[in-house]
Amino acid sequence: KAGVTQTPRYLIKTRGQQVTLSCSPISGHRSVSWYQQTPGQGLQFLFEYFSETQRNKGNFPGRFSGRQFSNSRSEMNVSTLELGDSALYLCASRPTSLSTDTQYFGPGTRLTVL
Amino acid sequence: QKEVEQDPGPLSVPEGAIVSLNCTYSNSAFQYFMWYRQYSRKGPELLMYTYSSGNKEDGRFTAQVDKSSKYISLFIRDSQPSDSATYLCAMTTTSGTYKYIFGTGTRLKVLA
Repeated sequence: KAGVTQTPRYLIKTRGQQVTLSCSPISGHRSVSWYQQTPGQGLQFLFEYFSETQRNKGNFPGRFSGRQFSNSRSEMNVSTLELGDSALYLCASRPTSLSTDTQYFGPGTRLTVL
Repeated sequence: QKEVEQDPGPLSVPEGAIVSLNCTYSNSAFQYFMWYRQYSRKGPELLMYTYSSGNKEDGRFTAQVDKSSKYISLFIRDSQPSDSATYLCAMTTTSGTYKYIFGTGTRLKVLA
């Protein structure tokens, strides 16, 4: 089976712009979670989608939003970018949204905000 | 206080050494514990998972959970240069759809 794929892998934007990141889960997986990874804060949970519905949400401002399509693919959008949004954004998929279902991560999208 | 605390390192050890990586947590509802390994420029990959307390062994890796102390460990025996990576602990509850909580990760370097 193909793994989780994320596009693009690298992105450079300027403050105030908006960005959309894409994630394709492993075939058959219906849950997609998004994380932000920075050196100081580690992996921080953004949100999880299951069957096109947001199931869990982390403590991020409303500038961060997401959605999931009927084929389980997911997109994450960040509006009005700030310098502090520079990070590695990771997507993870699993068969369901049960806590004990293993999450499989993609390679991430490295976002740099100038 | 963070729900999960992990020493960021870096930790440098000679090849063949036994490595001990640790995390502490504060939420007593956590019962499912995981260790992920992340190589540079890659996403995390699951190494091991354990339920509740006790030990679990998989080759050179042993995961240990002490729920009374809210402390988990990952031991790597006969460490190899290929083990050089960042190791992240993660934990969650076993009921419902609670999110994963990750430690910040410990960077390990095994010197040849």
